[in-house]
Amino acid sequence: DAMVIQNPRYQVTQFGKPVTLSCSQTLNHNVMYWYQQKSSQAPKLLFHYYDKDFNNEADTPDNFQSRRPNTSFCFLDIRSPGLGDAAMYLCATSRGLAGGTETQYFGPGTRLLVL
Amino acid sequence: GQQLNQSPQSMFIQEGEDVSMNCTSSSIFNTWLWYKQDPGEGPVLLIALYKAGELTSNGRLTAQFGITRKDSFLNISASIPSDVGIYFCAGPRSNYKLTFGKGTLLTVNP
Repeated sequence: DAMVIQNPRYQVTQFGKPVTLSCSQTLNHNVMYWYQQKSSQAPKLLFHYYDKDFNNEADTPDNFQSRRPNTSFCFLDIRSPGLGDAAMYLCATSRGLAGGTETQYFGPGTRLLVL
Repeated sequence: GQQLNQSPQSMFIQEGEDVSMNCTSSSIFNTWLWYKQDPGEGPVLLIALYKAGELTSNGRLTAQFGITRKDSFLNISASIPSDVGIYFCAGPRSNYKLTFGKGTLLTVNP
């Protein structure tokens, strides 16, 4: 029973060609996150939504955008992918509990290759 | 800011051996999380700890939330080849974000 679903699992794009990654969840969680992960490193948060409120990390490049049209879906748009954007992109969700007790649940990831 | 120091960075063990890894922080956390990430997959939650001093088991895995709330350890008993992967500790912050350790890469030789 997949709870956080990411499509596609593998995406190949060309340098500068826009690409969209998608994430959906069946957990009805309030918060959805997008992370970038490069080999053998911890995931790096790009941004997150609490419901429809968008929260961007200060060091996330403008090249990365996100949309959350409803509770279940969230998209990551990379407007002009560069070679340095090749990475694993992880979507995660959480209920939105205050007080530093959040548990995040991750999807299987999308591996992006930029040619 | 809050940082998690995870050690060891990597481990090479023989099948059947026990494994221990830990995370420490200079700041207090209210929850400790342990994830495992297989190659090409997303992190999977193994154990969540919510109370200082709590000791929780999940099969061959045991994790403890340190009494000072600044550390946690994860033990794996009788390791098997499918235990291979990267193990991350993580601590939730009050703004819904996670602080991650840098990970422990576990290799199990059959």
